[in-house]
Amino acid sequence: AQKVTQAQTEISVVEKEDVTLDCVYETRDTTYYLFWYKQPPSGELVFLIRRNSFDEQNEISGRYSWNFQKSTSSFNFTITASQVVDSAVYFCALGAGKSTFGDGTTLTVKP
Amino acid sequence: DVKVTQSSRYLVKRTGEKVFLECVQDMDHENMFWYRQDPGLGLRLIYFSYDVKMKEKGDIPEGYSVSREKKERFSLILESASTNQTSMYLCASSSDGERGVENSPLHFGNGTRLTVT
Repeated sequence: AQKVTQAQTEISVVEKEDVTLDCVYETRDTTYYLFWYKQPPSGELVFLIRRNSFDEQNEISGRYSWNFQKSTSSFNFTITASQVVDSAVYFCALGAGKSTFGDGTTLTVKP
Repeated sequence: DVKVTQSSRYLVKRTGEKVFLECVQDMDHENMFWYRQDPGLGLRLIYFSYDVKMKEKGDIPEGYSVSREKKERFSLILESASTNQTSMYLCASSSDGERGVENSPLHFGNGTRLTVT
């Protein structure tokens, strides 16, 4: 069975701080895909990034970066210089379609 | 951009009523999904469909059914609503992608917050 664990239920930071959201997954598949989604207060989940299991290259997109480590089954998400607009619930997911989602991490960025 | 539209943002129904939640996507996606979101439980898959008139049970199908008569529309039906079905319901769609459905990100609607009293 697949499992995604986001150990941090809630995180609160002050604007401009860096913050890392942890994601640990379990799967027996040799090929798999990992995703991060953002759910702002408006409610609509928005896709942020996809990573496949055979590509461990880290990725940076503006203030966002992702660290995928197959050896530790982790796919962590870092926001650099956080902003109030980053306040949202962030979900890590394993697979697509029949995805297995973590419980989400609520990030609050205070001005 | 993909648009997934859920017919109602908020819905209040009484116990025992038959409830229809409608979802329409406009990007010709093959795959459609219904999730429910509850605090502390993340997103749980109720039903999904990889093609018109096709449906498969997800992790928590009990008390629900679905209908997909047209490619763009996927309806979730609560046959007899109960209070434990009070939740946020999220519809999503995806394309088949280069390597199949497993690597295609989901596109979500805004959600329907259903309250059953």
